[in-house]
Amino acid sequence: DGGITQSPKYLFRKEGQNVTLSCEQNLNHDAMYWYRQDPGQGLRLIYYSQIVNDFQKGDIAEGYSVSREKKESFPLTVTSAQKNPTAFYLCASSIIGVRNGELFFGEGSRLTVL
Amino acid sequence: SQQGEEDPQALSIQEGENATMNCSYKTSINNLQWYRQNSGRGLVHLILIRSNEREKHSGRLRVTLDTSKKSSSLLITASRAADTASYFCATENTGTASKLTFGTGTRLQVTL
Repeated sequence: DGGITQSPKYLFRKEGQNVTLSCEQNLNHDAMYWYRQDPGQGLRLIYYSQIVNDFQKGDIAEGYSVSREKKESFPLTVTSAQKNPTAFYLCASSIIGVRNGELFFGEGSRLTVL
Repeated sequence: SQQGEEDPQALSIQEGENATMNCSYKTSINNLQWYRQNSGRGLVHLILIRSNEREKHSGRLRVTLDTSKKSSSLLITASRAADTASYFCATENTGTASKLTFGTGTRLQVTL
């Protein structure tokens, strides 16, 4: 079945460590996104990519980095520069070029900094 | 930044009742979408309404859009316990194709 796979589902990190969250999609979507969700809050956009080898900062990009070397993959690195990284991270994808703009989401990765 | 503000923040109803959630936004939009999130899971797309549409239906869902007031409402009719979830509105703002800005969500609890 087509979909978006995020891994790991749960991740614990010590302060000062970088961690990378994986996001893979087999929907043949051009666009991919990373959102952060804090308890009881909405989603805030970290980074997005509309084409391979290109990506743009979202609203809260500081302390994060991404790459888009393949259409199917959009990994997110949470660096030690991110001051408050404990959160639920959601990856999504969408088709570009049609007017629907519907996002398809993965099941999320919960990062806890110890 | 978060574009939408949902109202109420939380809603508790009994099975069979209707649930209405409202969303207000700030800038001009191409479309507005509603998503559902079960606790600890990813979001699932429910319905999309374009800026030139005023009302849309999908099963037990009814969405309205008033661009003059920059607001939308989601009505779930004959609610079920399985409708318990958080509901988010999201806007595709003019000039930002395929990039969505989410609201803060409404937590719906449907009890038997």
